Amino acid sequence: GENVEQHPSTLSVQEGDSAVIKCTYSDSASNYFPWYKQELGKRPQLIIDIRSNVGEKKDQRIAVTLNKTAKHFSLHITETQPEDSAVYFCAASKSGAGSYQLTFGKGTKLSVIP
Amino acid sequence: GAGVSQSPSNKVTEKGKDVELRCDPISGHTALYWYRQRLGQGLEFLIYFQGNSAPDKSGLPSDRFSAERTGESVSTLTIQRTQQEDSAVYLCASSDQRWGTGQPQHFGDGTRLSIL
Repeated sequence: GENVEQHPSTLSVQEGDSAVIKCTYSDSASNYFPWYKQELGKRPQLIIDIRSNVGEKKDQRIAVTLNKTAKHFSLHITETQPEDSAVYFCAASKSGAGSYQLTFGKGTKLSVIP
Repeated sequence: GAGVSQSPSNKVTEKGKDVELRCDPISGHTALYWYRQRLGQGLEFLIYFQGNSAPDKSGLPSDRFSAERTGESVSTLTIQRTQQEDSAVYLCASSDQRWGTGQPQHFGDGTRLSIL
């Protein structure tokens, strides 16, 4: 089955700096890669996703890049703010044969220091 | 519109008791997922429904765990003879998989289960 590795497990940045979280996946058939943000005690919230036919996607201060050849994808947050502090999870899934389950990375705890 | 709703939000029970957790997905969402999240950990896949069928039960930790979905809507996750290691937040998510490609999964607030 799919295996998703996520690094780093913790990340501290100064407010205004950029943060980068990286994930690798094992199944070359995976074609959908969402990122979730989970604040303490809250539900995971989708913040951005990318499909395998696209190399990069941006939404304001958040961007995701995908390298299918290397089987890795990254989340980039620019101009970080204290409210960006949370745990971020990457995930991967593939379509076909009704198999849409997400395999999650173990998460990155991001702390933005004011 | 309404999001994914889970009940109860918290459940405390004694070891050995059975518990039933409920999930109401977003209306019209064809797929429903259950995950388990232990304190400070990631999301562990348990089971997935497409319509009322569960094509993938591979994540259920033991035969004490079962789940069903009816009317292509509500799902219940049942844990029999609960053990302390079952203590976790159980998250439900749903997605619209009519289009045959991966779609965003929308999560509920979860049920926090504590086994004494």
